Amino acid sequence: GDSVTQMEGPVTLSEEAFLTINCTYTATGYPSLFWYVQYPGEGLQLLLKATKADDKGSNKGFEATYRKETTSFHLEKGSVQVSDSAVYFCALINTGFQKLVFGTGTRLLVSP
Amino acid sequence: DARVTQTPRHKVTEMGQEVTMRCQPILGHNTVFWYRQTMMQGLELLAYFRNRAPLDDSGMPKDRFSAEMPDATLATLKIQPSEPRDSAVYFCASGSAGANVLTFGAGSRLTVL
Repeated sequence: GDSVTQMEGPVTLSEEAFLTINCTYTATGYPSLFWYVQYPGEGLQLLLKATKADDKGSNKGFEATYRKETTSFHLEKGSVQVSDSAVYFCALINTGFQKLVFGTGTRLLVSP
Repeated sequence: DARVTQTPRHKVTEMGQEVTMRCQPILGHNTVFWYRQTMMQGLELLAYFRNRAPLDDSGMPKDRFSAEMPDATLATLKIQPSEPRDSAVYFCASGSAGANVLTFGAGSRLTVL
């Protein structure tokens, strides 16, 4: 079945450092790919998405590019802030809007 | 902003008691999902509905859990009887099939003693 694999956390960075969180997927067909973010005590919020190969999703300085050849959707940010500390989930939906499949989440901790 | 509303936000109960969690999806959304989040298992899909009909509830322990949508504005998740291992945060999310994006509620944190 469809699955998403994320790098283990926590990822610990200093403010203004460069961030990469790796995400790879296994799916039949042509899934849409997502990054969701969960701040402490809150639900998940959509951060960005990409619906086809080579699409780049971006929001709040975060970017991810849908790479079909490597089945990847890595999340990047050039300069992280303390307020970016959260858990980040990579996810996919396959065609027909069936269930949203999540990775295990990666906790990001940014120190001043 | 339109939002998914979940109640209660927090619930503490004793083992064996019935627990009902409620979700009001965003108006116009025709797909509703229930997820459970724990430290050990991460996010688990319990059930989901489209146009109020259950499409998949294979992630749900059938003997004690039940999920329903009595109308388009209300989804419920019931646990009877509850057990300590049910302690988790339960999230409801809604979406519309064409948009392919889910909006999550803030979650219901359940503690079963």
